[in-house]
Amino acid sequence: ELKVEQNPLFLSMQEGKNYTIYCNYSTTSDRLYWYRQDPGKSLESLFVLLSNGAVKQEGRLMASLDTKARLSTLHITAAVHDLSATYFCAVVPNNNDMRFGAGTRLTVKP
Amino acid sequence: DGGITQSPKYLFRKEGQNVTLSCEQNLNHDAMYWYRQDPGQGLRLIYYSQIVNDFQKGDIAEGYSVSREKKESFPLTVTSAQKNPTAFYLCASTPGGLSYEQYFGPGTRLTVT
Repeated sequence: ELKVEQNPLFLSMQEGKNYTIYCNYSTTSDRLYWYRQDPGKSLESLFVLLSNGAVKQEGRLMASLDTKARLSTLHITAAVHDLSATYFCAVVPNNNDMRFGAGTRLTVKP
Repeated sequence: DGGITQSPKYLFRKEGQNVTLSCEQNLNHDAMYWYRQDPGQGLRLIYYSQIVNDFQKGDIAEGYSVSREKKESFPLTVTSAQKNPTAFYLCASTPGGLSYEQYFGPGTRLTVT
């Protein structure tokens, strides 16, 4: 059974602090996607990681992919309140449909 | 502007009634998907379609039906057989080929009482 596991599921952090969200998956996938969801809203694409060792950065967020370890990380640098949201990772096993993790609900407090 | 539209944004129905959720895209994408999201949960795949007139069941297809008569449209019907239909429903599409990045519509929040 395919599993996409995110850790932690809930994260409360202070503004200005750093933290990393982890995404492990149990099947072969040479690409991984990160999405953001604000409460009551749809999903917004953040990063598309297409190969082993891929690293992408946008503002205070940086994502990386290790396909051999089946692990992706989303690193948050100097968090600000605007980053409060739920973050999902997703993989495409066997070049088929996309499978999502359960999401990490991030709350950034002043 | 290109994008995915879902209507309505909020939908209320009585138990036992079928209801159809609309999903339209003008991105010329080949593949379209329907997901269900329950409060505090991730996304679960209901149905997907990679080409017109063809679709496959996802993980939780029971109680749902779809059609794909046109490339740009992929409506989802929530039937009375669906035990717990109240949820947030998201439609997505991808260009097909080697690109699997999914583009999401704004969602429809369905409440059945």
